[in-house]
Amino acid sequence: EVQLVESGGGLVQPGRSLKLSCAASGFTFSNYYMAWVRQAPTKGLEWVAYISTGGGSTYYRDSVKGRFTISRDNAKSTLYLQMDSLRSEDTATYYCTTLGFDYWGQGVMVTVSS
Amino acid sequence: DVVLTQTPPTLSATIGQSVSISCRSSQSLLHSNGNTYLNWLLQRPGQPPQLLIYLVSRLESGVPNRFSGSGSGTDFTLKISGVEAEDLGVYYCVQSTHAPLTFGSGTKLEIK
Repeated sequence: EVQLVESGGGLVQPGRSLKLSCAASGFTFSNYYMAWVRQAPTKGLEWVAYISTGGGSTYYRDSVKGRFTISRDNAKSTLYLQMDSLRSEDTATYYCTTLGFDYWGQGVMVTVSS
Repeated sequence: DVVLTQTPPTLSATIGQSVSISCRSSQSLLHSNGNTYLNWLLQRPGQPPQLLIYLVSRLESGVPNRFSGSGSGTDFTLKISGVEAEDLGVYYCVQSTHAPLTFGSGTKLEIK
């Protein structure tokens, strides 16, 4: 059974950092481009970042460039999102997904508030 | 960035009714490799999105065949032939032909 399990979310003050993890199982993680997609409360889906199979290529939406870092450990079948200098507008549920969108995690909530 | 415009924003249907959702792109989604990377997702209330259709018209494994996708270039359609109660939720089109990938704004399907 395919599983993507996110962790690391929570309540954080503006300007602070948080690191999300996504543990994959049930498929060959290293064969897939992976992405983080977020959804602010009552809003639509928005891509955040994605990463190539080997991790050598990464892509970020403009609003998170320089603040967020996507990475992966294929030996551990785990995807990461390091989020620094968090802002209130980063408040959202963050989903881990394959870039073909065939597999999704349940999502993890990140709330940025003082 | 490619803009995907979905219509209608909301849709109300009775059980058994057939409905269609449109997704129009600001530029052609035909990739130089001949593929068109336009997918359809469904997000049920309180759930993560799930893939319904990929490459415009290919049905994802396990998805009922009342769902179908069509279109080319800049105009795409998702059709549900005989809505069932479990189909309620928000439908999104998403393209990955052009970087960065982009999502449509969503179409909320309500059951009357």
